[in-house]
Amino acid sequence: NAGVMQNPRHLVRRRGQEARLRCSPMKGHSHVYWYRQLPEEGLKFMVYLQKENIIDESGMPKERFSAEFPKEGPSILRIQQVVRGDSAAYFCASSPFPGTNTGELFFGEGSRLTVL
Amino acid sequence: AQRVTQPEKLLSVFKGAPVELKCNYSYSGSPELFWYVQYSRQRLQLLLRHISRESIKGFTADLNKGETSFHLKKPFAQEEDSAMYYCALSVSGSRLTFGEGTQLTVNP
Repeated sequence: NAGVMQNPRHLVRRRGQEARLRCSPMKGHSHVYWYRQLPEEGLKFMVYLQKENIIDESGMPKERFSAEFPKEGPSILRIQQVVRGDSAAYFCASSPFPGTNTGELFFGEGSRLTVL
Repeated sequence: AQRVTQPEKLLSVFKGAPVELKCNYSYSGSPELFWYVQYSRQRLQLLLRHISRESIKGFTADLNKGETSFHLKKPFAQEEDSAMYYCALSVSGSRLTFGEGTQLTVNP
């Protein structure tokens, strides 16, 4: 099992461009979580998705950010019209179980977004 | 609102010394708490969960509801324990709220 795969590992965008970050969960995992880590800060929850459904998006900024986890293919975190404040490391985690009460999330290596 | 606090950003101990990484939480529901660890150049991974009452790599953590704490302890630190440690709280069963992390360095 290859583990959670995120790509690209590094992405550079200019202000106003779009950023797309991809996450392939571990085999057999149908629950995906996205977290953001700003410089010098901890991990902040963004969104929890199951296949084709958004379960909890309470951590997503109201504008410019969206996430999906289609029936086929990876989960995508999309940031439109990026601004410098979006520069951060974005982590994806997957789980074979619904919810987080087991605490067992498997993390990817992260995608580092830099906005010029 | 739920919150996890790790008061120490950096903690340095000598090999063989006891180590305690502090974690306090605030949450109105029934808390489910975890410790995650990230070794150098590795992914963040689950270390232990309070519900299991387990000892992993010599580490234990006890949930103290009266003090709203979940401190991570090890009686004799090893150099390979050097890593970033995050305390995490399951909120509404749908997300983990993480503390800001403590960088532990175990000196030879």
